[in-house]
Amino acid sequence: GAVVSQHPSRVICKSGTSVKIECRSLDFQATTMFWYRQFPKQSLMLMATSNEGSKATYEQGVEKDKFLINHASLTLSTLTVTSAHPEDSSFYICSARGVTSGMSYNEQFFGPGTRLTVL
Amino acid sequence: DAKTTQPPSMDCAEGRAANLPCNHSTISGNEYVYWYRQIHSQGPQYIIHGLKNNETNEMASLIITEDRKSSTLILPHATLRDTAVYYCIVRVSLLSFSGGYNKLIFGAGTRLAVHP
Repeated sequence: GAVVSQHPSRVICKSGTSVKIECRSLDFQATTMFWYRQFPKQSLMLMATSNEGSKATYEQGVEKDKFLINHASLTLSTLTVTSAHPEDSSFYICSARGVTSGMSYNEQFFGPGTRLTVL
Repeated sequence: DAKTTQPPSMDCAEGRAANLPCNHSTISGNEYVYWYRQIHSQGPQYIIHGLKNNETNEMASLIITEDRKSSTLILPHATLRDTAVYYCIVRVSLLSFSGGYNKLIFGAGTRLAVHP
């Protein structure tokens, strides 16, 4: 149980375009979802936290108008990178926590990640 | 949340126990110790967590010192598939839906290489 999926797994886009990444909790209701970014050979950096039905809370230094997060349902959150530039190329990872029978509130389960390359 | 210190890299022979240390000297009474690992180009995988007692599951054991200022993750019989970056994270764990206190902040981790 507690599976988180991401789509797409890999995307290449042209500079100036927008890219949407989906994060889904497949077998539980995700009350909170998190978005991370990871550059090569670096650790994960938390970008934002979103609770279902409310606005996302962004970490310091993360532009909310550039990285649009929507968490409209208990199983889906989306991250849209607007007007992407080559420096936005990175590995984007979502994670989710929530409730289902037998699952702790306090474990976070991660998706497999989405590799974005902006040309 | 308290900061953690881990060695940047470790080696382990296949079949032997891998003991990964973590220092968290500023941990406070309501903070848990969590361990995750990340295999190359994948999302992090939850391993284990604990408050003050030692914990064991099918993946690993977690040994927390009595003063809680350090801990050790033990992989009892390391395999080549255990090669990954291992992250030790300390955070408050609240039984609520509030996201604010439940952020996982990742440090640099320990890069474990298991060799034949």
